[in-house]
Parts: sequence; structure tokens; C-alpha cells
Amino acid sequence: DAGVIQSPRHEVTEMGQEVTLRCKPISGHNSLFWYRQTMMRGLELLIYFNNNVPIDDSGMPEDRFSAKMPNASFSTLKIQPSEPRDSAVYFCASSFSGGGRSTDTQYFGPGTRLTVL
Amino acid sequence: RKEVEQDPGPFNVPEGATVAFNCTYSNSASQSFFWYRQDCRKEPKLLMSVYSSGNEDGRFTAQLNRASQYISLLIRDSKLSDSATYLCVVTMIYGGSQGNLIFGKGTKLSVKP
Repeated sequence: DAGVIQSPRHEVTEMGQEVTLRCKPISGHNSLFWYRQTMMRGLELLIYFNNNVPIDDSGMPEDRFSAKMPNASFSTLKIQPSEPRDSAVYFCASSFSGGGRSTDTQYFGPGTRLTVL
Repeated sequence: RKEVEQDPGPFNVPEGATVAFNCTYSNSASQSFFWYRQDCRKEPKLLMSVYSSGNEDGRFTAQLNRASQYISLLIRDSKLSDSATYLCVVTMIYGGSQGNLIFGKGTKLSVKP
């Protein structure tokens, strides 16, 4: 079975450019999460969607960041304009939430390693 | 105070050793607890959930102390392949579904021959 798919795997761009990261969750999962990981701050949740609806975007750093989930099988995270401090690994994860279960395992994609010069 | 705190390590141990990692969390409303494992330049993967009664999975034992807001992971008979970063994770439940995962920064383990 395919896991969470992210693209691109690596992105190098110049400051000021727009960056779009893509994620395809595991089929059947109804929750999708975007995380950012840096050495300094560790793994931080940026935003998560449930049934394609953004539930909590309090982790989104600022207005330069936006995320969409137009359907159950696709999500994007966009940074416009990008800055060097956005350099990090961005992970997408998905899970099936609901049904009264108390634990919903999140499955992570391989990540996108972003470098902003 | 950080929500989830871990000793960053690194823990350098010989093969066959027993090693223990600790983690504390600040939010007493936290309801679910996990250990994730992350290999170098890879994504985090669920290692095991942590239950109030404690639970064991082969060489791995996880314990939870809600009163002290403390979670532990014990690895017995460590293998070279156990070398990784171990992330402590807590979450709360909203409406019967899992909420946000809050990750610690991880503890790095290096098992030497």
C-alpha cells in the first residue's frame, strides 16, 4: 500500500520566490497534518485538516504561509514570499480520526527538505 | 516551560545494554501518549503507544505516571539498529478524536558495537 506521498522531496529556491509543497494522504484517511522540523525548534504542527476542513492553523507562522485541501486526496502548503528562515523539513502526515477511538496513528510522509537561499 | 521535555542526549551505549529515556509533559489534560522513532533524515514513525498500566513490546517497555506527568521508554538488549532519535509525543482528545500531536525534541540514541 502506498503511504503518504510528498513532493518535491527537495527544493532549493531563492528568497522571495513562491514555494508550493504537495501531499497525498493515505487513501481513506480523513485527517491531514502539516509539520515543520528544524534543529532549533524540533517538530512543530503548522495546520491540520479534518474532512478537508482546516481545524487548527494556530501553528502557521505568519501570513506568508497558506494551506489548502481541495479534496480528500490532495493538500498543498504554500510559502509566498519565502525567506531563509523558512528552511526546514516539512512533513505531511495523515490519519483516520473518529469512531470513538482514543488513538489515531499518524503516518508521516518522507518530507520535503526546503532550502531558501 | 516547554510542553514536552526530553533529554536530547546523545546516549552512547554498547550493544546489549539497557537504556532508559524519560520525558515530562506540562499539560495535565493530555490524554494520549506515544513514542515515535525517527531515523536520520527520515520521517517519524510510531514506535508504541503508552498506556497507564504500562506496556511492553518485545525489548521495549513504556511507562506512564500521570501524577508526575512523566513518561519513560526502556530498551533492553539494545541493537545497532536501535540507533535513532526517540520522540516523546502527547496529545489531547477532542470530541472522541485525536487532537494535535505535541512532540518533544527527541533523545538521540547511538548503539555501538
